[in-house]
Amino acid sequence: RKEVEQDPGPFNVPEGATVAFNCTYSNSASQSFFWYRQDCRKEPKLLMSVYSSGNEDGRFTAQLNRASQYISLLIRDSKLSDSATYLCVVLPSGGYNKLIFGAGTRLAVHP
Amino acid sequence: EPEVTQTPSHQVTQMGQEVILRCVPISNHLYFYWYRQILGQKVEFLVSFYNNEISEKSEIFDDQFSVERPDGSNFTLKIRSTKLEDSAMYFCASSEGGHEQFFGPGTRLTVL
Repeated sequence: RKEVEQDPGPFNVPEGATVAFNCTYSNSASQSFFWYRQDCRKEPKLLMSVYSSGNEDGRFTAQLNRASQYISLLIRDSKLSDSATYLCVVLPSGGYNKLIFGAGTRLAVHP
Repeated sequence: EPEVTQTPSHQVTQMGQEVILRCVPISNHLYFYWYRQILGQKVEFLVSFYNNEISEKSEIFDDQFSVERPDGSNFTLKIRSTKLEDSAMYFCASSEGGHEQFFGPGTRLTVL
């Protein structure tokens, strides 16, 4: 089983749509979780950390379910500029801040 | 806003040659990392560095790789004898000590 698993997509949605991405992780002892976004041939950029209580940043909402080892990202009112690959990232326990990346989910927002 | 910088943006080299990739982490950060991303694949951890020593390294980071912090600002990754399969995007990242890591724009390494 992959350490971090994501649906590769692509998700093709119109502007204004709501889209949700899911991610599962295999190590139940993982301690921190993040969503990064990556534009084509660019660096990963931190979008948000994911907390057990769930957190929201503007149009973006992240949820964590430790029991199911499941992380989600919801994007409301999609913009053209949201088109990117969204990376689910996990910090395993016992490591020295080594991040484990999923392969990413591609989002294409069209007019 | 402070950011991680990397040079060069693109490096082309012949197989068997040595390359040095350079990074300037965010100034108050204490933890430094190298990751790589082969085209079309996921980002992979190579090495983490703290307090002037390697704190963790992956299986990829074999004897051909080394890291150094030669002064108070630079952080380098050296590949001694490049192979074709070393062709990838190499990202430097830094962290203040919490779990959030911030990435530089990357160096695209092409080995011919």
